Amino acid sequence: AQKITQTQPGMFVQEKEAVTLDCTYDTSDQSYGLFWYKQPSSGEMIFLIYQGSYDEQNATEGRYSLNFQKARKSANLVISASQLGDSAMYFCAMREGPGANSKLTFGKGITLSVRP
Amino acid sequence: DTGVSQDPRHKITKRGQNVTFRCDPISEHNRLYWYRQTLGQGPEFLTYFQNEAQLEKSRLLSDRFSAERPKGSFSTLEIQRTEQGDSAMYLCASSRRIGVRGGPQETQYFGPGTRLLVL
Repeated sequence: AQKITQTQPGMFVQEKEAVTLDCTYDTSDQSYGLFWYKQPSSGEMIFLIYQGSYDEQNATEGRYSLNFQKARKSANLVISASQLGDSAMYFCAMREGPGANSKLTFGKGITLSVRP
Repeated sequence: DTGVSQDPRHKITKRGQNVTFRCDPISEHNRLYWYRQTLGQGPEFLTYFQNEAQLEKSRLLSDRFSAERPKGSFSTLEIQRTEQGDSAMYLCASSRRIGVRGGPQETQYFGPGTRLLVL
Protein backbone atom coordinates (compact mmCIF):
# COMPACT_ATOMS: atom_id res chain seq x y z
CA ALA A 1 0.00 0.00 0.00
CA GLN A 2 1.18 3.49 -0.75
CA LYS A 3 2.21 5.40 2.32
CA ILE A 4 1.41 8.81 0.82
CA THR A 5 -1.40 9.29 -1.68
CA GLN A 6 -1.91 12.41 -3.72
CA THR A 7 -4.60 11.73 -6.29
CA GLN A 8 -5.32 15.16 -7.75
CA PRO A 9 -3.50 15.18 -11.10
CA GLY A 10 -3.53 18.93 -11.52
CA MET A 11 -5.21 21.86 -9.89
CA PHE A 12 -6.11 25.29 -11.19
CA VAL A 13 -6.91 28.30 -9.04
CA GLN A 14 -7.63 31.92 -9.75
CA GLU A 15 -5.15 34.42 -8.36
CA LYS A 16 -6.11 35.64 -4.85
CA GLU A 17 -8.39 32.66 -4.21
CA ALA A 18 -7.76 29.80 -1.79
CA VAL A 19 -6.96 26.25 -2.86
CA THR A 20 -6.77 22.91 -1.04
CA LEU A 21 -4.31 20.20 -2.04
CA ASP A 22 -5.19 16.74 -0.78
CA CYS A 23 -2.94 14.22 0.92
CA THR A 24 -3.78 10.96 2.66
CA TYR A 25 -1.24 8.80 4.44
CA ASP A 26 -0.90 5.32 5.82
CA THR A 27 1.13 4.39 8.89
CA SER A 28 0.84 2.19 11.94
CA ASP A 29 3.21 4.37 13.96
CA GLN A 30 1.79 6.63 16.65
CA SER A 31 4.59 9.15 16.27
CA TYR A 32 5.10 10.60 12.81
CA GLY A 33 5.52 13.89 11.02
CA LEU A 34 3.88 15.21 7.89
CA PHE A 35 5.53 17.75 5.61
CA TRP A 36 4.61 19.71 2.54
CA TYR A 37 7.21 20.82 0.02
CA LYS A 38 6.94 23.03 -3.04
CA GLN A 39 8.99 22.30 -6.15
CA PRO A 40 9.04 25.03 -8.79
CA SER A 41 10.29 24.32 -12.28
CA SER A 42 13.85 25.08 -11.15
CA GLY A 43 13.78 21.79 -9.23
CA GLU A 44 14.60 22.79 -5.67
CA MET A 45 12.36 21.34 -2.95
CA ILE A 46 11.20 24.16 -0.68
CA PHE A 47 9.89 23.30 2.79
CA LEU A 48 6.49 24.83 3.48
CA ILE A 49 4.92 23.41 6.63
CA TYR A 50 5.15 20.63 9.21
CA GLN A 51 2.49 18.82 11.28
CA GLY A 52 3.33 16.39 14.06
CA SER A 53 1.05 13.50 14.87
CA TYR A 54 0.72 14.66 18.48
CA ASP A 55 0.10 18.29 17.60
CA GLU A 56 -3.37 19.25 18.77
CA GLN A 57 -3.66 22.30 16.56
CA ASN A 58 -3.40 22.54 12.81
CA ALA A 59 -0.10 23.99 11.66
CA THR A 60 0.01 27.40 10.00
CA GLU A 61 2.84 29.23 8.26
CA GLY A 62 1.85 32.52 6.68
CA ARG A 63 -0.49 31.77 3.77
CA TYR A 64 -0.10 28.02 4.29
CA SER A 65 -2.17 25.97 6.70
CA LEU A 66 -2.54 22.27 7.16
CA ASN A 67 -5.94 20.70 7.65
CA PHE A 68 -4.94 17.70 9.76
CA GLN A 69 -7.61 15.04 10.30
CA LYS A 70 -5.88 12.26 12.19
CA ALA A 71 -8.75 9.78 12.25
CA ARG A 72 -9.14 10.06 8.50
CA LYS A 73 -5.36 10.06 8.00
CA SER A 74 -5.45 13.15 5.87
CA ALA A 75 -3.18 16.20 5.86
CA ASN A 76 -4.45 18.63 3.27
CA LEU A 77 -2.54 21.80 2.46
CA VAL A 78 -4.55 25.01 2.19
CA ILE A 79 -3.00 27.95 0.37
CA SER A 80 -4.85 31.21 0.92
CA ALA A 81 -4.74 34.23 -1.38
CA SER A 82 -2.97 32.37 -4.21
CA GLN A 83 -0.21 34.19 -6.05
CA LEU A 84 1.21 33.59 -9.52
CA GLY A 85 4.44 32.45 -7.88
CA ASP A 86 2.57 29.59 -6.22
CA SER A 87 2.45 27.74 -9.54
CA ALA A 88 4.57 24.65 -8.92
CA MET A 89 4.51 20.97 -7.94
CA TYR A 90 3.50 20.30 -4.34
CA PHE A 91 4.60 17.19 -2.49
CA CYS A 92 3.27 15.71 0.72
CA ALA A 93 5.79 13.64 2.70
CA MET A 94 5.88 11.62 5.91
CA ARG A 95 8.57 10.72 8.40
CA GLU A 96 7.56 7.75 10.52
CA GLY A 97 8.57 7.16 14.11
CA PRO A 98 11.35 8.57 16.21
CA GLY A 99 15.03 7.86 15.98
CA ALA A 100 16.78 5.89 13.34
CA ASN A 101 14.03 5.73 10.74
CA SER A 102 14.87 9.11 9.35
CA LYS A 103 13.85 9.11 5.72
CA LEU A 104 10.97 10.97 4.16
CA THR A 105 8.43 9.11 2.04
CA PHE A 106 6.91 11.33 -0.65
CA GLY A 107 3.73 11.22 -2.64
CA LYS A 108 3.68 11.65 -6.40
CA GLY A 109 2.87 15.33 -6.15
CA ILE A 110 0.21 17.69 -7.42
CA THR A 111 0.67 20.35 -10.08
CA LEU A 112 -0.84 23.69 -9.13
CA SER A 113 -1.40 26.39 -11.74
CA VAL A 114 -2.47 29.86 -10.66
CA ARG A 115 -4.38 31.83 -13.27
CA PRO A 116 -4.15 35.65 -13.39
CA ASP B 1 22.00 32.30 5.14
CA THR B 2 23.81 29.41 3.48
CA GLY B 3 21.53 26.61 2.38
CA VAL B 4 22.33 23.19 1.00
CA SER B 5 24.47 23.36 -2.12
CA GLN B 6 25.04 20.73 -4.78
CA ASP B 7 27.57 20.48 -7.56
CA PRO B 8 27.26 20.14 -10.48
CA ARG B 9 23.76 21.34 -11.21
CA HIS B 10 23.66 19.45 -14.51
CA LYS B 11 25.62 16.48 -15.81
CA ILE B 12 25.45 14.78 -19.18
CA THR B 13 27.43 11.59 -19.56
CA LYS B 14 27.67 8.58 -21.81
CA ARG B 15 26.52 5.15 -20.73
CA GLY B 16 29.27 3.29 -18.93
CA GLN B 17 31.03 6.36 -17.55
CA ASN B 18 31.41 7.12 -13.85
CA VAL B 19 29.99 10.30 -12.32
CA THR B 20 30.38 11.90 -8.91
CA PHE B 21 28.13 14.46 -7.28
CA ARG B 22 28.88 16.62 -4.27
CA CYS B 23 26.59 17.96 -1.56
CA ASP B 24 27.44 20.57 1.06
CA PRO B 25 24.84 20.60 3.85
CA ILE B 26 23.82 23.44 6.11
CA SER B 27 26.78 23.84 8.43
CA GLU B 28 25.20 22.93 11.77
CA HIS B 29 23.27 19.96 10.35
CA ASN B 30 24.57 16.53 11.33
CA ARG B 31 22.23 14.47 9.14
CA LEU B 32 22.56 14.30 5.37
CA TYR B 33 20.29 12.51 2.90
CA TRP B 34 20.36 11.55 -0.76
CA TYR B 35 17.17 11.13 -2.79
CA ARG B 36 16.51 10.37 -6.45
CA GLN B 37 13.61 11.85 -8.38
CA THR B 38 12.50 10.67 -11.80
CA LEU B 39 10.13 12.55 -14.05
CA GLY B 40 6.59 12.78 -12.71
CA GLN B 41 7.45 11.15 -9.39
CA GLY B 42 8.21 12.27 -5.89
CA PRO B 43 11.73 11.91 -4.51
CA GLU B 44 12.77 8.43 -3.39
CA PHE B 45 15.15 7.86 -0.53
CA LEU B 46 18.60 6.48 -1.35
CA THR B 47 20.72 6.78 1.78
CA TYR B 48 21.47 8.90 4.82
CA PHE B 49 24.34 9.81 7.11
CA GLN B 50 24.52 10.89 10.67
CA ASN B 51 27.83 12.68 10.92
CA GLU B 52 30.21 10.40 9.00
CA ALA B 53 28.27 7.18 9.61
CA GLN B 54 26.06 5.84 6.82
CA LEU B 55 23.06 4.59 8.81
CA GLU B 56 20.60 3.48 6.17
CA LYS B 57 20.68 2.48 2.51
CA SER B 58 17.70 1.88 0.26
CA ARG B 59 17.40 -1.15 -1.97
CA LEU B 60 17.46 1.39 -4.81
CA LEU B 61 21.13 1.90 -4.05
CA SER B 62 22.66 -0.82 -6.22
CA ASP B 63 26.29 -1.90 -6.05
CA ARG B 64 27.10 0.71 -8.69
CA PHE B 65 26.21 3.48 -6.25
CA SER B 66 28.41 4.55 -3.39
CA ALA B 67 28.07 7.47 -1.01
CA GLU B 68 30.55 8.88 1.44
CA ARG B 69 30.72 11.59 4.05
CA PRO B 70 34.30 11.24 5.22
CA LYS B 71 34.54 14.07 7.72
CA GLY B 72 30.90 14.46 8.58
CA SER B 73 30.60 17.60 6.47
CA PHE B 74 30.17 17.38 2.68
CA SER B 75 29.08 14.17 0.98
CA THR B 76 29.71 12.60 -2.41
CA LEU B 77 27.53 10.24 -4.39
CA GLU B 78 29.29 8.22 -7.08
CA ILE B 79 27.60 6.19 -9.79
CA GLN B 80 29.84 3.73 -11.59
CA ARG B 81 29.16 2.37 -15.07
CA THR B 82 26.15 4.62 -15.55
CA GLU B 83 23.05 3.29 -17.29
CA GLN B 84 20.29 5.18 -19.05
CA GLY B 85 17.95 4.29 -16.19
CA ASP B 86 20.14 6.36 -13.88
CA SER B 87 18.93 9.53 -15.59
CA ALA B 88 17.16 11.47 -12.85
CA MET B 89 17.41 14.41 -10.49
CA TYR B 90 19.62 13.63 -7.49
CA LEU B 91 18.61 15.64 -4.45
CA CYS B 92 20.57 16.15 -1.27
CA ALA B 93 18.99 17.28 2.00
CA SER B 94 20.23 17.96 5.49
CA SER B 95 18.69 18.22 8.94
CA ARG B 96 19.70 18.67 12.53
CA ARG B 97 19.03 15.74 14.82
CA ILE B 98 16.62 16.68 17.60
CA GLY B 99 17.09 14.83 20.90
CA VAL B 100 19.18 11.74 21.52
CA ARG B 101 17.44 9.55 18.96
CA GLY B 102 16.02 12.18 16.70
CA GLY B 103 12.36 12.83 16.07
CA PRO B 104 9.74 13.10 13.36
CA GLN B 105 9.77 16.89 13.63
CA GLU B 106 13.21 17.18 12.08
CA THR B 107 12.82 19.23 8.92
CA GLN B 108 14.93 18.30 5.93
CA TYR B 109 16.15 21.18 3.80
CA PHE B 110 16.95 20.36 0.21
CA GLY B 111 19.58 21.56 -2.20
CA PRO B 112 18.89 22.55 -5.82
CA GLY B 113 19.64 19.04 -7.09
CA THR B 114 21.87 17.60 -9.80
CA ARG B 115 20.14 16.67 -13.03
CA LEU B 116 21.84 13.65 -14.59
CA LEU B 117 21.28 12.62 -18.20
CA VAL B 118 22.87 9.39 -19.38
CA LEU B 119 23.05 9.08 -23.15
